[in-house]
Amino acid sequence: DTGVSQDPRHKITKRGQNVTFRCDPISEHNRLYWYRQTLGQGPEFLTYFQNEAQLEKSRLLSDRFSAERPKGSFSTLEIQRTEQGDSAMYLCASSLMGLGLEAFFGQGTRLTVV
Amino acid sequence: GENVEQHPSTLSVQEGDSAVIKCTYSDSASNYFPWYKQELGKRPQLIIDIRSNVGEKKDQRIAVTLNKTAKHFSLHITETQPEDSAVYFCAAIEGNTGKLIFGQGTTLQVKP
Repeated sequence: DTGVSQDPRHKITKRGQNVTFRCDPISEHNRLYWYRQTLGQGPEFLTYFQNEAQLEKSRLLSDRFSAERPKGSFSTLEIQRTEQGDSAMYLCASSLMGLGLEAFFGQGTRLTVV
Repeated sequence: GENVEQHPSTLSVQEGDSAVIKCTYSDSASNYFPWYKQELGKRPQLIIDIRSNVGEKKDQRIAVTLNKTAKHFSLHITETQPEDSAVYFCAAIEGNTGKLIFGQGTTLQVKP
């Protein structure tokens, strides 16, 4: 499968625990985005990378959230001290800066904080 | 920043009828407008997109129209089939970031 892949697909965690998600973008894509989607809503932008540089973070992203893309390939999103309000689908998307604007999404990681 | 409004929130049609979903955007600098289909528990799938230099684009039963002056764009699905039932999201790209701003979604139900 040459699409965007995310791991894990599902994560159940207790409130206060830390969690980390991984995204592997389409290999030639230099841009990588993280979105959060709650039930019945459209995806909301969290942050994005161009190669290894994190260029923008949404105000939605509290200081408990951190994202990295150390070698400009895969990315991780970590949530520290999880809260019940963090329960959502976390989607990763990638695109190629330049001629192509199309963004392709991964399957998402569904986080449930209990 | 960009803001996207989508209507209706739910749409029910009979199989074979047409469905139209409308979106408006606020940033006149936006130049790319994709539409995504999302089935329950699955990823958003890009179904069609349009760039600001064209007014209409078709792909089989799906078409998108764009009115830059009025800052609105629409998705048209003809000859709807039960497998078209899903949530549809419009989006607009913000600036040069490639960041997508999504509408609230439309739940389309096609009754057989």
